[in-house]
Amino acid sequence: ETGVTQSPTHLIKTRGQQVTLRCSSQSGHNTVSWYQQALGQGPQFIFQYYREEENGRGNFPPRFSGLQFPNYSSELNVNALELDDSALYLCASSLVRHGGGTDTQYFGPGTRLTVL
Amino acid sequence: AQSVTQLGSHVSVSEGALVLLRCNYSSSVPPYLFWYVQYPNQGLQLLLKYTTGATLVKGINGFEAEFKKSETSFHLTKPSAHMSDAAEYFCAVSGSNSGGSNYKLTFGKGTLLTVNP
Repeated sequence: ETGVTQSPTHLIKTRGQQVTLRCSSQSGHNTVSWYQQALGQGPQFIFQYYREEENGRGNFPPRFSGLQFPNYSSELNVNALELDDSALYLCASSLVRHGGGTDTQYFGPGTRLTVL
Repeated sequence: AQSVTQLGSHVSVSEGALVLLRCNYSSSVPPYLFWYVQYPNQGLQLLLKYTTGATLVKGINGFEAEFKKSETSFHLTKPSAHMSDAAEYFCAVSGSNSGGSNYKLTFGKGTLLTVNP
């Protein structure tokens, strides 16, 4: 069983640039959630994708956007990067069964984004 | 709305001593509760979870936690600390919900556990 993978591992961008982070969900999972973890803090929920649609969003501006693909992989896009966007970005996948119900989220290793 | 408070940003114990990491939660719906561990420069690994049923849950690496609804707590314990337990620990809550959607995790700020030889 393949776990959650993320790419790239590290990324350095300058203020105002755009970035795309990628996540492959664990085999058999159909839901992807993205979190931002600033240094010394707990992860903060950005948004979740289920059946290729956004299914809930945290307190993040519209310049944070995402996609989920038919194979359940996902992208997180951030436009107009700001210095405060420097953080570890974590992707988590889970399985939502027909009829609902929550399930455990399994995390990838993260992408460390540095904005200069 | 949900929130998590982890009491103590840093806990230090001696090898072989009891580990107790505190977590209190607030939730407007019946909660699902989780403990995750994060080693330096890594993602989060699930230690254990409470959804329904038995309130004492056992996890990996000898950790366990007890859901106490009356105290809105979900403290993490381990009888005997090992050097390899040194890491950051996060308590998280999500809402049990109906419908076809999986719900977000709300995390505490984390507790850094150091284990002294």
